[in-house]
Amino acid sequence: GAGVSQTPSNKVTEKGKYVELRCDPISGHTALYWYRQSLGQGPEFLIYFQGTGAADDSGLPNDRFFAVRPEGSVSTLKIQRTERGDSAVYLCASSLYHTTVNEQFFGPGTRLTVL
Amino acid sequence: AQTVTQSQPEMSVQEAETVTLSCTYDTSENNYYLFWYKQPPSRQMILVIRQEAYKQQNATENRFSVNFQKAAKSFSLKISDSQLGDTAMYFCAFMKHQGGSEKLVFGKGTKLTVNP
Repeated sequence: GAGVSQTPSNKVTEKGKYVELRCDPISGHTALYWYRQSLGQGPEFLIYFQGTGAADDSGLPNDRFFAVRPEGSVSTLKIQRTERGDSAVYLCASSLYHTTVNEQFFGPGTRLTVL
Repeated sequence: AQTVTQSQPEMSVQEAETVTLSCTYDTSENNYYLFWYKQPPSRQMILVIRQEAYKQQNATENRFSVNFQKAAKSFSLKISDSQLGDTAMYFCAFMKHQGGSEKLVFGKGTKLTVNP
């Protein structure tokens, strides 16, 4: 079946602009995660959805970052007033939710460049 | 807060040989999971192997095995019979056990190059 998809694969924007990054999880996966990977670093957690609600948004760096998942499937990460420091690869992952841990399946990421 | 440390930024190995990647972590949790992920240049993170902390037996997946030392908080990855396709970034990751999906905490990664 289809894996996690993310669009666009690359996004170039100017400082101060607004951007939206989209994630399509694997069908039936109720858990969805956003991570940010800066150059030369490991991914850092941003937010986790269980269904439509954000179960953990402790990784969002500030109030310019916001994410939604209105129907419990597709998620959009929104960044307002972009800054050069926001340049990174934004990774999305999804998993099934059970009482034991399940593998997180990652998408190919969106490379965001803020000029 | 949990931290994951990978002290080897880069490593190289000859094809068909064995290489070990190091990982240490810090946590006060007793129940947790540890993972090794592979990230090739395509950016797609792929799960290589995982270990439940409550299991004493080290996990193995074909050519990949781990040496899990809970008391030392060490979780190294051994790749046997290295192949050119193993060239990638490798990330060690930690997850608390909270009855379901949880966030992953990653190390900074080790860049592995397999030479022909």
